[in-house]
Amino acid sequence: EAQVTQNPRYLITVTGKKLTVTCSQNMNHEYMSWYRQDPGLGLRQIYYSMNVEVTDKGDVPEGYKVSRKEKRNFPLILESPSPNQTSLYFCASSLMKEGAEAFFGQGTRLTVV
Amino acid sequence: AQKVTQAQTEISVVEKEDVTLDCVYETRDTTYYLFWYKQPPSGELVFLIRRNSFDEQNEISGRYSWNFQKSTSSFNFTITASQVVDSAVYFCALSEVGDYKLSFGAGTTVTVRA
Repeated sequence: EAQVTQNPRYLITVTGKKLTVTCSQNMNHEYMSWYRQDPGLGLRQIYYSMNVEVTDKGDVPEGYKVSRKEKRNFPLILESPSPNQTSLYFCASSLMKEGAEAFFGQGTRLTVV
Repeated sequence: AQKVTQAQTEISVVEKEDVTLDCVYETRDTTYYLFWYKQPPSGELVFLIRRNSFDEQNEISGRYSWNFQKSTSSFNFTITASQVVDSAVYFCALSEVGDYKLSFGAGTTVTVRA
């Protein structure tokens, strides 16, 4: 089954404690990205990757890091989380084709206290 | 500036009523793509439709229909004879040429009461 898998689904952490949210896709998609969803703002892109070792900032990259060492995996790293990073996070993948449908993971609800 | 505007924050209807969700977008490109996604209470994002800028035909899929009007930069979504299972947040999104990301609207929460 074609899918994007994120882990964990729920995470509560304390300010400053480094964390990683994993994302893996099994569709051999080149393009992967991370979004955060906040009330009244919809989803906003944090980082994206067009291929292995090729990553770039999206609209709201501050406080986040990513890596793309393998085509299927695209982890999101918060080196020093802060309460304003409390949000619902989605990983997505798609073909590198204009207008391609994006496939989303099930989401990770992160709370930073 | 927001590229996609969903002015309706919340809509509440009684079952079997029709509901129309507005989506207005902004782009300078002549080629672009518009999407609708559904987010049910369980939280996942479900793809509903994709439309490219050259195809202005309205589309119907069961109880769902979409009205794309380039003249008003709108891509509205209608649920006919709504059901409780239609309760969700609905997002409109735009993808522009050379940019594979989706620019989302703020979303419209639809509540269908039995």
